[in-house]
Order: sequence, then C-alpha cells, then structure tokens
Amino acid sequence: AQTVTQSQPEMSVQEAETVTLSCTYDTSESDYYLFWYKQPPSRQMILVIRQEAYKQQNATENRFSVNFQKAAKSFSLKISDSQLGDAAMYFCAYRDYFQGGSEKLVFGKGMKLTVNP
Amino acid sequence: GAVVSQHPSWVICKSGTSVKIECRSLDFQATTMFWYRQFPKQSLMLMATSNEGSKATYEQGVEKDKFLINHASLTLSTLTVTSAHPEDSSFYICSARDLSRAKETQYFGPGTRLLVL
Repeated sequence: AQTVTQSQPEMSVQEAETVTLSCTYDTSESDYYLFWYKQPPSRQMILVIRQEAYKQQNATENRFSVNFQKAAKSFSLKISDSQLGDAAMYFCAYRDYFQGGSEKLVFGKGMKLTVNP
Repeated sequence: GAVVSQHPSWVICKSGTSVKIECRSLDFQATTMFWYRQFPKQSLMLMATSNEGSKATYEQGVEKDKFLINHASLTLSTLTVTSAHPEDSSFYICSARDLSRAKETQYFGPGTRLLVL
C-alpha cells in the first residue's frame, strides 16, 4: 500500500524568508500524482500545487515550487517570500494515476507552519 | 471555479438522533465525491467514495449502516450519521473531482463540524 510521510510536525519561518517542507512517499507504481494541500485555521483544504510523476519538470505556482525526486521518492515544497497568510497545516498527498488505479488520496500526517512577523 | 459547498457548517445534536450533511459541487458536475473525517490535529481519514447513481464504496472499518451515503445527482452527495453518539463528534469534509478540469484533483468543501451531546 502507498504511504506518505511528513517527518516534521512543525516548522516556523520569518516573514519574507524561504522555507522548505519535506515529504517522502512509498509506491511501487511508476505513474502517479502528488499534491500539496494547505489547511488554514478555517479548516478549508486548499490545493497548493500538483505534480505528475511522469513529468520531469518541477511544478511551480507563483511563490510555491516543488523539488520532485522520483528515484528518491521525495516531494518537497518550497515557499518563497513567506507571508503571514501562509500559516497553516500543510498536507502532502499521493494518488495513483487515473486509469485503472485507485482514485483515493493518501495523505501524510501534516505539518504545521508558523510564519513570524 | 471548482467550488464545493457543504451544509451545514456546524451542527449540534442529541445522542441517538440522525444528522444529514450535504455536499454540493456548485459549478461542475461530480460523478465521484469523497467523504473524509478529521480529528483535531490529525490528518484526513477517507471514509467512503461516493459514485453518482451507485452504491458508495466504504473504507475498511467504516460502518456503512452508521454512515449512509447517497449520491443521487451529479452535483449532490449526502452523508447521514445515523443514531449519532458522542464518539461521532468530528469534522467531516467532502471533496469532488471535476472531470472537465484536472480529473485527478480533488476539490474540498469547507467542512462540517458535528458535535453530539
């Protein structure tokens, strides 16, 4: 079964600085998707970024970028120019490729990010 | 786009009563919706996958007679907690896939807080 591990339960960063959140996963599949979701105090889950495993290029969304290392099964999230609004729980998630695979998202335990002014 | 709503956002009920939670996709059709449960400071736990026009698929350990799921239309899925007890108190979140967009991505509702007295 696929597993997702977020080994750091909490991190903090100074406003305007850069922080990297780590995530590792385990799968025997070659094609899959990886996600980072953000859950602020409102508890609304918000998609931050998505990566297809068959794409070698790392995904970027404005201040958010990933470092996807397929061989190492690592999927870290870098937040640049951190803002107070980035403070939230961050969840790393995995799902099989759509065709014939499970549609389920497998979540890590989450990591609480604090942004200090 | 890809907005998912839930109703109610908060519900308090007496032990032994049943509670219905609605999940709606507002601007897209969702053939598949997912129901999660989240305890404080923990990750999301998938309860069941809801498919329009067919029976839901429940995860191991989830009582299907306790948590009734109905996906009667392409925009609405409901979760009914039957004969609720205090241990059912939790945060329930639904998500949906938008096949017209990135079909592998789940978009989440804002969640429903259930408190059983």
